[in-house]
Amino acid sequence: NAGVTQTPKFRVLKTGQSMTLLCAQDMNHEYMYWYRQDPGMGLRLIHYSVGEGTTAKGEVPDGYNVSRLKKQNFLLGLESAAPSQTSVYFCASSPGTSGSWYEQYFGPGTRLTVT
Amino acid sequence: SQQGEEDPQALSIQEGENATMNCSYKTSINNLQWYRQNSGRGLVHLILIRSNEREKHSGRLRVTLDTSKKSSSLLITASRAADTASYFCATDKWGGSEKLVFGKGMKLTVNP
Repeated sequence: NAGVTQTPKFRVLKTGQSMTLLCAQDMNHEYMYWYRQDPGMGLRLIHYSVGEGTTAKGEVPDGYNVSRLKKQNFLLGLESAAPSQTSVYFCASSPGTSGSWYEQYFGPGTRLTVT
Repeated sequence: SQQGEEDPQALSIQEGENATMNCSYKTSINNLQWYRQNSGRGLVHLILIRSNEREKHSGRLRVTLDTSKKSSSLLITASRAADTASYFCATDKWGGSEKLVFGKGMKLTVNP
């Protein structure tokens, strides 16, 4: 199993450009998450999904949109990138069932720079 | 908002020594988890302790939980250079939540 994969690994955007980050998991997990990690701030939840076709806002959702059209994929979109969105983005997934409640499996991250 | 706060924020020890990291949190929880992050990589789950457990072991890891003090500690025994990483505690909220709230992390350096 590949686990959780993220595409791309690195990206540089100019202010105002748009892009989509793709997260894929092959573990048949119900829950998926997008976080951003900034120095000294830990991980902050952007959006999450508890199943195919569902999404919900996390702690810092402004400037981002998400979609979960297929159970294995969770897309994070930036419609108009801003320098404040320069960060490392992590996707994670979780079984969403009892027994391994809420243990999360992380992807390798996407390093995004907005100039 | 940060639920968990790790302490100390950075720790440097020699190989073979034990490393203890502490986490404090604010609200009642179902579970507390510890994760490790190697430089430039994603987080890896280490251990989960439920609110009705007081201590749990996994290999060289020992986790304790004191719900009355809203605190947890992670002990790594006989540390190795490969344990050099950042460590995060994460909590969910009592009553059930599919969301975790992560602390800011603690940097552990194990010198060979």
